[in-house]
Amino acid sequence: DTAVSQTPKYLVTQMGNDKSIKCEQNLGHDTMYWYKQDSKKFLKIMFSYNNKELIINETVPNRFSPKSPDKAHLNLHINSLELGDSAVYFCASSQLGTGLSGNTIYFGEGSWLTVV
Amino acid sequence: KQEVTQIPAALSVPEGENLVLNCSFTDSAIYNLQWFRQDPGKGLTSLLLIQSSQREQTSGRLNASLDKSSGRSTLYIAASQPGDSATYLCAVLNTGNQFYFGTGTSLTVIP
Repeated sequence: DTAVSQTPKYLVTQMGNDKSIKCEQNLGHDTMYWYKQDSKKFLKIMFSYNNKELIINETVPNRFSPKSPDKAHLNLHINSLELGDSAVYFCASSQLGTGLSGNTIYFGEGSWLTVV
Repeated sequence: KQEVTQIPAALSVPEGENLVLNCSFTDSAIYNLQWFRQDPGKGLTSLLLIQSSQREQTSGRLNASLDKSSGRSTLYIAASQPGDSATYLCAVLNTGNQFYFGTGTSLTVIP
């Protein structure tokens, strides 16, 4: 039973298109994230939601728009895709606020986006 | 702002060797530090979590240490095996409730 699941796993699309990646977690966590991993494996935070509210919004082009319909889901919509958007996008979840020193973060398997 | 650095970026060792991966962070105001493993085409899997009040954690052939005051952590892998080949990332959870990830070490264990 997958804890954090994201779809699609692979996505190849043309420049200028709009696409969405969906994420769901069944861990009952309050906090969800989107990370971007570049070709050098560096993980960069994009967004974080806590109980459906945006709490972290790093410097990301406004073509990227997260949507959290409920605390178990955090979707990422990307408008007008560019070549530089090609990367792996990871969804993750965590339960922050209680027992903080023991808190960990759970990742989905990633969505490989290729813009051609 | 917290910065997390890992050295070396890549490491190749023969099977059976013991090895050490290094992680350093600039801000010592952390709740914990974790080591993750990432296999090709997969997400990150947590290996060890060291709380800020702890000095080390062990799991099987893995031992992670934490020196919060100097901003350093090491992951020691004993008797390495080809199945240990993966990318290893460290991450700190800041007291601002944000996770910061290191740059990763790509490990190859040669049979």
